[in-house]
Amino acid sequence: QQQVKQSPQSLIVQKGGISIINCAYENTAFDYFPWYQQFPGKGPALLIAIRPDVSEKKEGRFTISFNKSAKQFSLHIMDSQPGDSATYFCAAGGSSNYKLTFGKGTLLTVNP
Amino acid sequence: DAGITQSPRHKVTETGTPVTLRCHQTENHRYMYWYRQDPGHGLRLIHYSYGVKDTDKGEVSDGYSVSRSKTEDFLLTLESATSSQTSVYFCAISGSGDGYTFGSGTRLTVV
Repeated sequence: QQQVKQSPQSLIVQKGGISIINCAYENTAFDYFPWYQQFPGKGPALLIAIRPDVSEKKEGRFTISFNKSAKQFSLHIMDSQPGDSATYFCAAGGSSNYKLTFGKGTLLTVNP
Repeated sequence: DAGITQSPRHKVTETGTPVTLRCHQTENHRYMYWYRQDPGHGLRLIHYSYGVKDTDKGEVSDGYSVSRSKTEDFLLTLESATSSQTSVYFCAISGSGDGYTFGSGTRLTVV
């Protein structure tokens, strides 16, 4: 049973555009929602994370929007750049079980 | 990444042989994890540890075992490697159980 569903699988955006990746979770005990960025040949790296006490968190061009009632959260990348081309993973976890469940990933390509 | 190293980085092995992958950390973090990454499946948890000699199974643990005799080392063993275990394996560490730091991965090919 997949507990975190991520969409789309792949996304192509023009330079300067907005990239949006969505995730949905099932377990209401989850209370930590990070996004990871992975470049080819590298391990995933933490990009930004949110907890359910806020509905939005912004760090530079990256924003997480969180909808607790819908059990959904999304990553918005503003002014997308070719250097943002990577695979993005959402994840969800809880302070009670100390492990993260990951979505299947989104391959983002930003064309120059 | 700084503070976590995986070895080897690449390995080719034959079907039926045992294989051990090593994860070493210098952060003194309590939690350590082994994931495998496959196209179309994302990152799937194999085993994790919440302390020395304290380990538990993840969602794809069949055919794998782990050991953690010291805080800094977490070993993943494929008891008898199969072609379905060809994958990229990532170790991750966490001090609090949420924000992970991943290693650079081990690319394992079973022929």
